[in-house]
Amino acid sequence: DIQMTQSPSSLSASVGDRVTITCRATQSINSFLNWYQQKPGKAPKLLIYTASSLQSGVPSRFSGSGSGTDFTLTISSLQPEDFATYYCQQTYSTPPWTFGQGTKVEIK
Amino acid sequence: EVQLLESGGGLVQPGGSLRLSCAASGFTFSSYAMSWVRQAPGKGLEWVSAISGSGRNTYYADSLKGRFTISRDNSKNTLYLQMNSLRAEDTAVYYCAKDLNLIAVAGDYFDYWGQGTLVTVSS
Repeated sequence: DIQMTQSPSSLSASVGDRVTITCRATQSINSFLNWYQQKPGKAPKLLIYTASSLQSGVPSRFSGSGSGTDFTLTISSLQPEDFATYYCQQTYSTPPWTFGQGTKVEIK
Repeated sequence: EVQLLESGGGLVQPGGSLRLSCAASGFTFSSYAMSWVRQAPGKGLEWVSAISGSGRNTYYADSLKGRFTISRDNSKNTLYLQMNSLRAEDTAVYYCAKDLNLIAVAGDYFDYWGQGTLVTVSS
């Protein structure tokens, strides 16, 4: 199976900071990489699909990039509501699909 | 409005069985693949299983080793997960999620999620 590794596992940042989270696959997954945001006690929410497409309703401060094995989620100016855990997910070919271990974004 | 409502979670002893349900509304249920994703307490997300819109194609995480069975009843707009031979490590919140496509294919993603149902495996 394809394994996904996110870095860092956690980070502390201030409101207004630019935040970057990376996700690496153990093999090429083309651009079949999605990003989700999860807040405590809530279901995950889709942010970015196929590496760089912004889901409807998601603020434009979120962006994604990458292809092959290396991907990035960027929050251009961190807002209070962005403090959450972020997961990448690969959907290369038919399942099984896998998630990264998550990156927790905390208030500095 | 798309809604997914899981039910059926609870406390079960090791070795026991449980069937989860996910009632869907607000979209043409049979036109979309569906998935189950779980999250152990304090841990990350783990994809569990997926099923095509017709129910003919099913997929499972290798770690489940045949203990779980996904199914759906399109006449009832309901997704199921039958879980057998439960272990302590199956303790998690189980989410159902709507896939983008009719079948689980490359480029798929989960655009709607339920609120989850907690399964606790303990004696």
